[in-house]
Amino acid sequence: TQLLEQSPQFLSIQEGENLTVYCNSSSVFSSLQWYRQEPGEGPVLLVTVVTGGEVKKLKRLTFQFGDARKDSSLHITAAQTGDTGLYLCAGAPQAGTALIFGKGTTLSVSS
Amino acid sequence: DTGVSQNPRHKITKRGQNVTFRCDPISEHNRLYWYRQTLGQGPEFLTYFQNEAQLEKSRLLSDRFSAERPKGSFSTLEIQRTEQGDSAMYLCASSLGSSGGQLLKNIQYFGAGTRLSVL
Repeated sequence: TQLLEQSPQFLSIQEGENLTVYCNSSSVFSSLQWYRQEPGEGPVLLVTVVTGGEVKKLKRLTFQFGDARKDSSLHITAAQTGDTGLYLCAGAPQAGTALIFGKGTTLSVSS
Repeated sequence: DTGVSQNPRHKITKRGQNVTFRCDPISEHNRLYWYRQTLGQGPEFLTYFQNEAQLEKSRLLSDRFSAERPKGSFSTLEIQRTEQGDSAMYLCASSLGSSGGQLLKNIQYFGAGTRLSVL
């Protein structure tokens, strides 16, 4: 059974700080997605990474896919209160198959 | 683009009752997925369809659960004889599936979910 270990589970920081969330597995994934979820809502896609070693930037968010396509990280620079939410990584073992999700990282950014 | 739509958004039911949820995917998407999410956890896969064919079911999908996608468009998820342990957020997602390239196949777009509370 493929698993995605996401860490940390909870993160509470001050506005302006930097943070990194990690998503690790012993298995290879065809692609990996990062989602953000607000309470009572469905996950909203942030980015999809496909190629080993790929780095994608979305404003203050930087996503990296490991060379072996087994792990990924999300780095947020100068966090803002609006970044508060649940961040989920999800991997697709094969193209088009069901996603395997990590347990999520609950981020709280205070001013 | 109307996105993935789920109804109802909230459902409160008594133990033992049957409930049915509906998901309308993005119109051109061939694949439709159902997930379940409990508090403090990431979503867990239940089942998915390629058009009207149910291609995979998780071990989480007990005999009390049944999903259909009769015309390859909307889907329903029914839970019979609900139990308190069924209380969760039920999420639907859709993707282009085989009609898209590799990258597009994996992009799943989620609905807002149906929150089920079994009393």
